[in-house]
Order: sequence, then C-alpha cells, then structure tokens
Amino acid sequence: AQTVTQSQPEMSVQEAETVTLSCTYDTSESDYYLFWYKQPPSRQMILVIRQEAYKQQNATENRFSVNFQKAAKSFSLKISDSQLGDAAMYFCAYRTSFQGGSEKLVFGKGMKLTVNP
Amino acid sequence: DGGITQSPKYLFRKEGQNVTLSCEQNLNHDAMYWYRQDPGQGLRLIYYSQIVNDFQKGDIAEGYSVSREKKESFPLTVTSAQKNPTAFYLCASSKLAGGYNEQFFGPGTRLTVL
Repeated sequence: AQTVTQSQPEMSVQEAETVTLSCTYDTSESDYYLFWYKQPPSRQMILVIRQEAYKQQNATENRFSVNFQKAAKSFSLKISDSQLGDAAMYFCAYRTSFQGGSEKLVFGKGMKLTVNP
Repeated sequence: DGGITQSPKYLFRKEGQNVTLSCEQNLNHDAMYWYRQDPGQGLRLIYYSQIVNDFQKGDIAEGYSVSREKKESFPLTVTSAQKNPTAFYLCASSKLAGGYNEQFFGPGTRLTVL
C-alpha cells in the first residue's frame, strides 16, 4: 500500500520570505500523481499544485513550485514571497494513475504553516 | 454555480444514534468520495463510488454505510457501531474520464457525539 509522510507538523515563515514544505512517499508503482492541498481555517480543501510522475519537469503555479525527486520519492513544496493568506494546513497526497483504479487519494498527516507579518 | 454541498455544517449526535450526512454535487461527476479528518491526521477514505448503485469500502469503512441512488448524491450514515465518530467529514467528487481528474471537495460537516 502507498504511504505519504510529512515529517514536519508545523512551520513558520516571515511574510515575503520563502518556505519549503517536505513530503516523502512510498510506492511500488512507476506512474502516479502527487498533489499539495491547502486547508485554510475555513477547512475548505483547495488544490495548490499537482505533479505527474512521468513528467521530469517540476510543476509551478505562480508562487508555488515543487521539487520532485522520483528516485528519492520526495515531493517538496516551495512557497515564494509568502503571504498572510498562505497560512493554512498543507497536505501532501498521492494517487495512482492506474486506469480503472479507485482514483482515491492517500494523504499525509499535514503540516501547519504560520505566516508572521 | 457548480459545486459540492454538504449539510449540515455542524451535527450533534447522542451515543447510540445513527446520523446521516448529506453530500450533493452538480458537477456531473461520476465518482464521489467520503473522507474523515481527525486532529493531527490527514484525510482517510471511508467509502467511494464510481457509478450509481455501486460503491466500495475505503480504509476505515467499519461503522459507516453509504448509498448511491442518484449520480448527484452520496449520503453517508454514521451508525452506532462506529466507536469514535466525532470528526470532520469531507465529501469529494471527480470525473472518471481517464488521466488526471481533480477531486473537488465540499465544505465539510463537523460531527460531535455528546
């Protein structure tokens, strides 16, 4: 079974600075998807960024980018120019790409990010 | 506006009672999912359904039941057999057209057992 590990339960960053959130995963599959979700105090889950394992290029979405290291099974999220609105729980998640599979998401335990003004 | 609605937002239950959480989507998605979230934990899958009248157990299905009589609706019943039902419950849905299909989440229901 696949597992996702977020080893840092909490982090803080100063506004306008850069922070990196770490995630590792375990799988025997060669093709899959990885995601970062954000859960602000409203508790609405919001997709931040996704990465397809067969793509070598790291995904980017505005201030958010990932460092995907497939051999190391590592998937870290970098937030640049941190803003107060970035304060939230962040969850790393894995999904198989197997066609006909359940498409269920396997989540890490999350990490609480605090942004200091 | 298209989206996922969950009701109620807060739900209180006495021990020994069954309660049903509602989840409705108007995104025309085939698949629907129920997740449970506990403090310090990620989301864990309870049940999922990829087609009407069919559903599969997730990782923590014991004490829960679901139905999928309509494509738009996927209610979750928390039965008295669930030993520790106090948690935040999230419903999600996605297309099943092959390739990547984003899961969209509802706003959640907070269940508290008194």
